[in-house]
Amino acid sequence: DAGVIQSPRHEVTEMGQEVTLRCKPISGHDYLFWYRQTMMRGLELLIYFNNNVPIDDSGMPEDRFSAKMPNASFSTLKIQPSEPRDSAVYFCASSLVLRSYEQYFGPGTRLTVT
Amino acid sequence: LAKTTQPISMDSYEGQEVNITCSHNNIATNDYITWYQQFPSQGPRFIIQGYKTKVTNEVASLFIPADRKSSTLSLPRVSLSDTAVYYCLVMNRDDKIIFGKGTRLHILP
Repeated sequence: DAGVIQSPRHEVTEMGQEVTLRCKPISGHDYLFWYRQTMMRGLELLIYFNNNVPIDDSGMPEDRFSAKMPNASFSTLKIQPSEPRDSAVYFCASSLVLRSYEQYFGPGTRLTVT
Repeated sequence: LAKTTQPISMDSYEGQEVNITCSHNNIATNDYITWYQQFPSQGPRFIIQGYKTKVTNEVASLFIPADRKSSTLSLPRVSLSDTAVYYCLVMNRDDKIIFGKGTRLHILP
């Protein structure tokens, strides 16, 4: 298995633009997580899905952020409109189960909003 | 509210044993304790998980006292390549996944 795949690896955009981050989880994993990492706040859980259904989105910072999982092999995290404070590394992770779990992280997308 | 507390940073030397302690006073009865390692420009990587007492694998050992309010990750004979951020993670009663701020471990030659 290729592991969790994220694209793009780097994204530079201007304030106000729409940004879409993509993730392909490991095949067979029922859980998918989106995280954001910054120096100030560390690694924050934004949202997670179970069997393509959003379970907990309380970490999503505001309405400008949205996430979807249309099928078991694909998820997107969208920011519209983007702001400079959204600059961070965004990680996607997947796992087989939730409680007794090992999360497998993708390489991340480094987002810079100017 | 932070669910785990770890030292912000630690330094050690090659060949030494390193112990990183995590405090998790509000751990739930059915929660597991998991540690991850993150190298620069990479996503975190699972290294060990436990419930109580001691767990050992090829990478590290995890010591958990009877009250489970803390845990200690032990890295034997560290090398320069063990320089990374180490995260302690627990599942709370609401099933939220919360990473600690992590411990930046710097191994010196």
